[in-house]
Amino acid sequence: AQSVSQHNHHVILSEAASLELGCNYSYGGTVNLFWYVQYPGQHLQLLLKYFSGDPLVKGIKGFEAEFIKSKFSFNLRKPSVQWSDTAEYFCAVNALDNAGNMLTFGGGTRLMVKP
Amino acid sequence: DAGVTQSPTHLIKTRGQQVTLRCSPKSGHDTVSWYQQALGQGPQFIFQYYEEEERQRGNFPDRFSGHQFPNYSSELNVNALLLGDSALYLCASSLSEDGGAFFGQGTRLTVV
Repeated sequence: AQSVSQHNHHVILSEAASLELGCNYSYGGTVNLFWYVQYPGQHLQLLLKYFSGDPLVKGIKGFEAEFIKSKFSFNLRKPSVQWSDTAEYFCAVNALDNAGNMLTFGGGTRLMVKP
Repeated sequence: DAGVTQSPTHLIKTRGQQVTLRCSPKSGHDTVSWYQQALGQGPQFIFQYYEEEERQRGNFPDRFSGHQFPNYSSELNVNALLLGDSALYLCASSLSEDGGAFFGQGTRLTVV
C-alpha cells in the first residue's frame, strides 16, 4: 500500500519569502501526484497535478512542483508567498496499479504567512 | 455549474445511532469517493463508487457502507456510531479515468 509523508507540519513565513514544502511517497509502481490546498473555512482545492511528461508542473496562483522519481518526492514551491497563501497544504498520490483512483494523502502542512 | 455538494453541513448524533450523509457530484462526473478527515490529519479514503458499484475500499470497518444512484449521487451510511467517528466527512467526485478529484465542503459529524 502507498503512503505519503509531509515533513513540515507547520511553516511560518513572512510575505515575499520563498516556499518549499516537502512531500515523499512510498510506492514502487506508477503514480499520479497532486497538491491540494485548504484555505480557512473552504473546501479542498486542487493546486496542481502530475500525470506524466515534464516533471516540473505549474499550477494555479504561482505554485509549482517538481517530481523527482529517484527520490520519490514531489515538493511544492512558490518563489514569493503572499498573506493570502495562508492555508493547509496536502500532498496526495494515486497508485495507478489499483483499480479506481483513490487518493492517499499526507498529514498536511499548515502554512502561515505574516504580513 | 455546481461543484460537489454535500448535506447536511453539520450533524450531531449519539453513540450507537446511525447516520446517512449525502453527496451530489460535480456535473459530468461519474465517480464518487468518500474520505474521513479527523482533526489535524489528512483525509483518509473510505471507499469509491463507480457505475453504482463499490470499486475500491479503504481500511474502514463494515459499519461504513455506501450507495451510488443512477444519477451518480451517493450516500455514506455509518452504523453503530462511535465517539471516534467524529470527523469531517468529505465527498469527492471525478471522471473514472482521471485521478484529479473535486471535493465538497464536507459534513462535520459529531458523535456524543
